[in-house]
This record gives sequence, C-alpha cells and structure tokens, in this order.
Amino acid sequence: NAGVTQTPKFQVLKTGQSMTLQCAQDMNHEYMSWYRQDPGMGLRLIHYSVGAGITDQGEVPNGYNVSRSTTEDFPLRLLSAAPSQTSVYFCASSGQGFSYEQYFGPGTRLTVT
Amino acid sequence: GDSVTQMEGPVTLSEEAFLTINCTYTATGYPSLFWYVQYPGEGLQLLLKATKADDKGSNKGFEATYRKETTSFHLEKGSVQVSDSAVYFCALRRMGGSEKLVFGKGTKLTVNP
Repeated sequence: NAGVTQTPKFQVLKTGQSMTLQCAQDMNHEYMSWYRQDPGMGLRLIHYSVGAGITDQGEVPNGYNVSRSTTEDFPLRLLSAAPSQTSVYFCASSGQGFSYEQYFGPGTRLTVT
Repeated sequence: GDSVTQMEGPVTLSEEAFLTINCTYTATGYPSLFWYVQYPGEGLQLLLKATKADDKGSNKGFEATYRKETTSFHLEKGSVQVSDSAVYFCALRRMGGSEKLVFGKGTKLTVNP
C-alpha cells in the first residue's frame, strides 16, 4: 500500500495564480481531510469529506475549494493564490469514526510570491 | 470549542534522559487522544493513541495515559535517543461535527549525544 500520496512536493506560485494540490489514498478510507501547517499554529483543518460526493468546510476554508468524485481522490484547489496561503499542506485519511487515527501524506510546501 | 494545550518548546535533552511533554485538553464529551510525531521534512505519523479514560497508549518506548479527571495526556519516555529528535503534536478527535483532529501547537524535541 502506498498509503496517502500528495503531489507536488514543492510549488511556487505568483499571486493570483490558481492550482490544484492532488491527494490520493489506497486504504479505502471514507474520511479525508486537508490541513495547513503554519509555524506556531499547529495544523488547521481546511476542508474535509466523509465520502464520495460529500464535502464540508473546516476552520480555514476561504480561498480553497474541494471535490470528492471518488473514494480515493480528494484534490484541493487554490482559486487565486495569495501570500497568506504560503504554508505546508497535508492531506489525511481515516476510517469513519473518532477513535480512528488519521494517516497523513508527506505534504506539499507551497510558496506564493 | 475544543482545544489542546501542550508545553512550549523547544526542549533539549541529552541522550538517555527522561522525557515528559505535557498535554491538556478541553472538549465536549469524551474524545479520543493522540500523539503524532513529525520528523524533519516529513508528514505526521501516529505515535500512540488512547480512546477512553485510563487507557494507556504506548509505542517505541513512549507512553501516555488518558486522564479524564485532569483532562491530560502527557507523553513520557524513560530514555530518549538522538533519533527521537522531532516535533511532537498532541491532538484530540471527538464524535460529531467534522470529527476533525484538533492539534496542539507542537513541541520540538532535540536530543544531543
């Protein structure tokens, strides 16, 4: 099993550009989520999904869109990049239920200039 | 809302020293509690977890006990190694809503030989 994979590993964008961060998992997990990690802030939830066709907002959703057309994939779209979106982005997946641990991808380091 | 507070870092220890990283939480109901570890340049990995009061999670010599009466989940290791140098995150996940992981801000541990 590859677990949770993310692409790209690094990305530099100019302000106003758009892009999609890819996330895939091969563990047949229903629950998937996107977090951003900023220094001194821990990780904060952007969007999450409890199954194909179902998505919802986390605590910092502004400027990001998601969709979930399959169980395996959960892409994160930046609509118009801003310097405040410079961060490390992690995708995670888990079984459905609060006692399950989430499995994290290796992260995408995004810089917006 | 739910929150996790963990001791501020960084923490610097000599090899074979005893480690404690304090973690306390605020949450509705009875969450599951987790410790994640992040090695430099990598994603987060589950270190251990506990899903109910008085449970003890353990892995790789690390231990933490879910203390409902003090709302705590302190991480301990009797003898740290250089390879334990990493950032440690305490987190909770509870039933209802987004079932998101709520993270502390992380504690950076450096172990010197």
